[in-house]
Amino acid sequence: DTGVSQDPRHKITKRGQNVTFRCDPISEHNRLYWYRQTLGQGPEFLTYFQNEAQLEKSRLLSDRFSAERPKGSFSTLEIQRTEQGDSAMYLCASSPNQGRQETQYFGPGTRLLVL
Amino acid sequence: RKEVEQDPGPFNVPEGATVAFNCTYSNSASQSFFWYRQDCRKEPKLLMSVYSSGNEDGRFTAQLNRASQYISLLIRDSKLSDSATYLCVVEYNFNKFYFGSGTKLNVKP
Repeated sequence: DTGVSQDPRHKITKRGQNVTFRCDPISEHNRLYWYRQTLGQGPEFLTYFQNEAQLEKSRLLSDRFSAERPKGSFSTLEIQRTEQGDSAMYLCASSPNQGRQETQYFGPGTRLLVL
Repeated sequence: RKEVEQDPGPFNVPEGATVAFNCTYSNSASQSFFWYRQDCRKEPKLLMSVYSSGNEDGRFTAQLNRASQYISLLIRDSKLSDSATYLCVVEYNFNKFYFGSGTKLNVKP
């Protein structure tokens, strides 16, 4: 399968713990996005990478959230000191950087539950 | 005000019906427009891009009205397999994408 993959698919953690999610984009896609989706809502933009450079961060991304894409391939999203309000689906998407009207290809998501 | 607004539905229609969804966006500088489909507990997948001149893909027709800042999706001859949530997506500031909350469609036999 050469699509976007995310790991883990599910994560249950206790409030205050740190969690890290991984995203492997489609190879040769140099744009990578992180979104958060809660029930009944569409995905909300969190951050975006062009290769290894983090070009945009939403104000939704508090200081407890950090994302990296060290070699311009896979990316990690870390949440420190998790709160119950962090419970959501975290989606990763990649796109090939071919100009306008770009298709984003989404991974299956990591579903986080903070108890 | 949200960047992208959609009627959440649900739209409950019989097989074979024609159904239309609208979506409005707030930023007149928006550059690109899309409809994505999301099945329950699955990731969103691109249904179609929306071009200024309007475009059609089989039973699906998308229209863009820049003056009124809305996008529409028309589905003809609905199939049971069309049941899903349809997400309107707007891009501006180059590569910043805003999703609507989605419109849920239920196609009944």
